[in-house]
Amino acid sequence: GAGVSQSPSNKVTEKGKDVELRCDPISGHTALYWYRQSLGQGLEFLIYFQGNSAPDKSGLPSDRFSAERTGGSVSTLTIQRTQQEDSAVYLCASSLAPDLYNEQFFGPGTRLTVL
Amino acid sequence: AQSVSQHNHHVILSEAASLELGCNYSYGGTVNLFWYVQYPGQHLQLLLKYFSGDPLVKGIKGFEAEFIKSKFSFNLRKPSVQWSDTAEYFCAVNARNYGQNFVFGPGTRLSVLP
Repeated sequence: GAGVSQSPSNKVTEKGKDVELRCDPISGHTALYWYRQSLGQGLEFLIYFQGNSAPDKSGLPSDRFSAERTGGSVSTLTIQRTQQEDSAVYLCASSLAPDLYNEQFFGPGTRLTVL
Repeated sequence: AQSVSQHNHHVILSEAASLELGCNYSYGGTVNLFWYVQYPGQHLQLLLKYFSGDPLVKGIKGFEAEFIKSKFSFNLRKPSVQWSDTAEYFCAVNARNYGQNFVFGPGTRLSVLP
């Protein structure tokens, strides 16, 4: 079946503009995760959804970052007033349930470049 | 705060050599431990995981990892690498009291020469 998909694959934007990144999880997966990978860094946890609610937003780096999930499926990560330090690859993952015994399946990522 | 370190940024081996990639974490409580791999042009995928029980965990493609609680380590090993093992390897830790928050290491790039 289809894996996790993300769009766009690449996004170049100007500093100060807003961007929206989209994640389509595997059908039936109730848990959804967003991560950020900056150049030479490991993956940085941003936020996690169980269904449409986000019990853990602890990783969002600032109030310019927000995320929502609708219908227990698609999620969007929005970055307002982008800054150059927001440039990174944004990865989405989903799992069947939030139980950590369930493997996370990762998407291909969105490469964001803020000029 | 939790943190994960990986000892090597880039490891270069010849085929059939043995591999050990180091991973150390900083958290004193109960942890779940993972190794993920990203092959060139592919998505991150789970290699193996440890939750409890036997500290020697076997994963896919002949990889194994050993959890040593006293050393806060979860090193990845393979007795004989192949060219197809060329990839980036990430160690990840979840401290059970931290819910779903995963902390990943910076990754180790493995290049296997044919």
